[in-house]
Amino acid sequence: QVQLVQSGAEIIKPGASVNVSCRTSGYKFLSYFIHWVRQAPGQGLEWMGRINPDSGVTNSPLKFQGRVTMTRDTSISTAYMQLSSLRSDDTAIYYCARRLSPAAPFDFWGRGTLVTVSS
Amino acid sequence: QSVLAQPPSASGTPGQRVTISCSGSNSNIGENTVNWYQQLPGTAPKLLISFNSHRPSGVPDRFSGSASGTSASLAISGLQSEDEAVYYCAAWDDSLYGPVFGGGTKLTVL
Repeated sequence: QVQLVQSGAEIIKPGASVNVSCRTSGYKFLSYFIHWVRQAPGQGLEWMGRINPDSGVTNSPLKFQGRVTMTRDTSISTAYMQLSSLRSDDTAIYYCARRLSPAAPFDFWGRGTLVTVSS
Repeated sequence: QSVLAQPPSASGTPGQRVTISCSGSNSNIGENTVNWYQQLPGTAPKLLISFNSHRPSGVPDRFSGSASGTSASLAISGLQSEDEAVYYCAAWDDSLYGPVFGGGTKLTVL
């Protein structure tokens, strides 16, 4: 069965970086984009970017460009998201989700990784 | 401020039918299909409706979706207590070249 398993919760100091992993199984890793979506406490969903696991090409909205880095390791079917220069308003649950194409939905999601930015 | 507009809340009694609206623009709903996600408390979003009106396997037929122009809606008939959740609409946006979401509608079953 399809699974996206994310790394555990993190507490990070302001100004530092966080790395979140998303280990996938149960499908062909190279065939689906991996997207990252975050949700601040009590708030809605916010798209952070995506990576094509086959080519490694990424794209993200202007808001996150320069701060978010998405990579993948095809040998272990795992995607990674690094967010740098963390601020208190980056405190959120970070989800990875797979998507076949722009027209397709997010059909499977990870359980989320809580990142708390606090000194 | 979310790109897609949803009412922040909705409510109904068990057995009732409720609808949740989602309004967008030509660059998203006007050109691309809408997906709906259900988020139960403390869990990740779950795909509820795809391609405007398609129910993935396992989703009860009490849930239905439709879209027209730059708007879409989700209907839930025969409301049940377990339907209490936050519902998000989403669509690909051709200007952003990424997905956009509604702000979410919290459904309360009275």
